[in-house]
Amino acid sequence: DAKTTQPPSMDCAEGRAANLPCNHSTISGNEYVYWYRQIHSQGPQYIIHGLKNNETNEMASLIITEDRKSSTLILPHATLRDTAVYYCIVRPATLTSGTYKYIFGTGTRLKVLA
Amino acid sequence: NAGVTQTPKFQVLKTGQSMTLQCAQDMNHNSMYWYRQDPGMGLRLIYYSASEGTTDKGEVPNGYNVSRLNKREFSLRLESAAPSQTSVYFCASSEGREKLFFGSGTQLSVL
Repeated sequence: DAKTTQPPSMDCAEGRAANLPCNHSTISGNEYVYWYRQIHSQGPQYIIHGLKNNETNEMASLIITEDRKSSTLILPHATLRDTAVYYCIVRPATLTSGTYKYIFGTGTRLKVLA
Repeated sequence: NAGVTQTPKFQVLKTGQSMTLQCAQDMNHNSMYWYRQDPGMGLRLIYYSASEGTTDKGEVPNGYNVSRLNKREFSLRLESAAPSQTSVYFCASSEGREKLFFGSGTQLSVL
């Protein structure tokens, strides 16, 4: 299963775009990239996911490089409420014991500054 | 629609005591998961279950047992709690290729 590498922390000014990188150089062709975030000590919350194409929803945009070895989560206009830990996960291509085994790393701690 | 419900929210145990963390989901999901999160760390997978009656070990299963009682419920048991098991425990569920839904967590302290 592909591993992910993220910077441990980042700062972003309020109102500016937050660009959170993720490296997944060993990703295979049918593995999806998922992003979650965890605010304070709440349960993680799904943000977005993608396979090859760039994706956008009401929360964020996901840019995946053409070789799929890295991706960037973009929060277009960061607010103080976006301060959280952001996790980039590669969902395995195959089922393990009948389901997907989601492995989280340590994520990026994003601090949005007023 | 409650989603994923965990009980209790907080628990303090003495070393050697046992307890069961409860998790229930009302989304008719087949897959359920238990994670732990130590202070300042990411989530680590303890056990997971693809369907009723099936369970499998994750990254850190030692010291824990699980039961998938039915499709809704997935419990995590600590038979003899140790201080190293002080952590926040999260339960999650998913269906097929869908995203994970998490509960609000159980904060456990073992003294």
